[in-house]
Amino acid sequence: GQNIDQPTEMTATEGAIVQINCTYQTSGFNGLFWYQQHAGEAPTFLSYNVLDGLEEKGRFSSFLSRSKGYSYLLLKELQMKDSASYLCAVRPYTGRRALTFGSGTRLQVQP
Amino acid sequence: DAGVIQSPRHEVTEMGQEVTLRCKPISGHDYLFWYRQTMMRGLELLIYFNNNVPIDDSGMPEDRFSAKMPNASFSTLKIQPSEPRDSAVYFCASRENSSGTYTGELFFGEGSRLTVL
Repeated sequence: GQNIDQPTEMTATEGAIVQINCTYQTSGFNGLFWYQQHAGEAPTFLSYNVLDGLEEKGRFSSFLSRSKGYSYLLLKELQMKDSASYLCAVRPYTGRRALTFGSGTRLQVQP
Repeated sequence: DAGVIQSPRHEVTEMGQEVTLRCKPISGHDYLFWYRQTMMRGLELLIYFNNNVPIDDSGMPEDRFSAKMPNASFSTLKIQPSEPRDSAVYFCASRENSSGTYTGELFFGEGSRLTVL
C-alpha cells in the first residue's frame, strides 16, 4: 500500500521562507511530485524529483531523500499569491502512470 | 492548447439520479485519469486509461460508478444512482506517454463540483 503524510496547515509571513515536508511509504518508487492548488482551482505542477538531492526552480525548490522516504518543498520570498494547498504525490513504481497524492498542506501567507 | 476540458463545472442533483461527467483530454495525450477530491479523503484516483483502455479501476468505489473512453478525445464518468456521499469535486487529468527525461506530469481540468442532495 501507500502512505503519504504532510502537515495539514502552515502559516508564514510575506517575504519569509517556508518548508513543507512530506514523508511517504510506498511499494516501489518512481518519482515524487509537488503540485500547487489554489482554492476552487485545479492542481498545477510545481516540481519533480526522482533522484536524491535538490531541484531548484525560481523561488521554489524541492528536495528528495529516497532512503528516508522524505521530501520537502521550499518556498522563498513568500508572496500573498502563494497562499494555496501544496500536494505531495508519489508515482509508486515503474509502469504505473497514476500518482498517489497526500492530503495536502494548506499554506496561509500573512502580510 | 485548450488544456483538459471538463463539463459540467457544477452539478446539483437529488439522490438516486444519474450523473454523467465529461472530459476532453489534451490532444496527443495517451493517458487519462479520473480523480475525486473531498476534504476528508483528499485527492483519490478512481480509474485511469491508456490509449482508451482502462488500466486500473481499483479506485472506483462500487458498481454505481462506471467510466468509459470511447475515443482518444472523450471520456465519461457516470454515477447511477447517485448518493449524498458522492458529493465531491471530480477531476480529469491527462498526460503524455513517457520518453527520455519527460517527468510525466499530470495536467488537470478545472473539475466538476458535484452536490448530491
